[in-house]
Amino acid sequence: QKEVEQNSGPLSVPEGAIASLNCTYSDRGSQSFFWYRQYSGKSPELIMSIYSNGDKEDGRFTAQLNKASQYVSLLIRDSQPSDSATYLCAVSHSSASKIIFGSGTRLSIRP
Amino acid sequence: EAGVAQSPRYKIIEKRQSVAFWCNPISGHATLYWYQQILGQGPKLLIQFQNNGVVDDSQLPKDRFSAERLKGVDSTLKIQPAKLEDSAVYLCASSYSGGVGEIYNEQFFGPGTRLTVL
Repeated sequence: QKEVEQNSGPLSVPEGAIASLNCTYSDRGSQSFFWYRQYSGKSPELIMSIYSNGDKEDGRFTAQLNKASQYVSLLIRDSQPSDSATYLCAVSHSSASKIIFGSGTRLSIRP
Repeated sequence: EAGVAQSPRYKIIEKRQSVAFWCNPISGHATLYWYQQILGQGPKLLIQFQNNGVVDDSQLPKDRFSAERLKGVDSTLKIQPAKLEDSAVYLCASSYSGGVGEIYNEQFFGPGTRLTVL
């Protein structure tokens, strides 16, 4: 079992719709959770971090964390073509602070 | 605020040659990370420094890879000798804290160095 699992996609979503990206992790002691966006040929860019159960909203992005189910998700509202990228889920255990990345989900927003 | 700087951006070498990458973290960031990202995969941590000490190098192939962070600021990653499977993007990241016991360790990445080994 991989430490951080994501569906590789591609996930195709029409422009203006909600894109839902999901991630599961295996370490129950994980404390920090991150979503990075990576455009082709570019480096990862931090878009959301979440540390406690529930929802965290930032503009069109909402991160959701459920530690009991070991599940973290990212919702993108009003999807735009510029949101087309690979989204990396990353998880960190507080005592080690090493971040483990998933393999990413490719998101494509179709006009 | 300036971001993480890396050089070179691209490097092409032949197998068995050596190569070095340089990273300058965001000012004030104590923790520096080197990652290897192979196409289609997420970044894999090679080494993590806290100031100029090594926190984690468990996935660094020490027979050919080495890294140092002198004076707790800039860092270099070296590969000697390179193999074909080392072809990847090498990413440097930094975070303000990221020490043992800390949970707020948001990392910010540099532009990366794309290495091709022929």
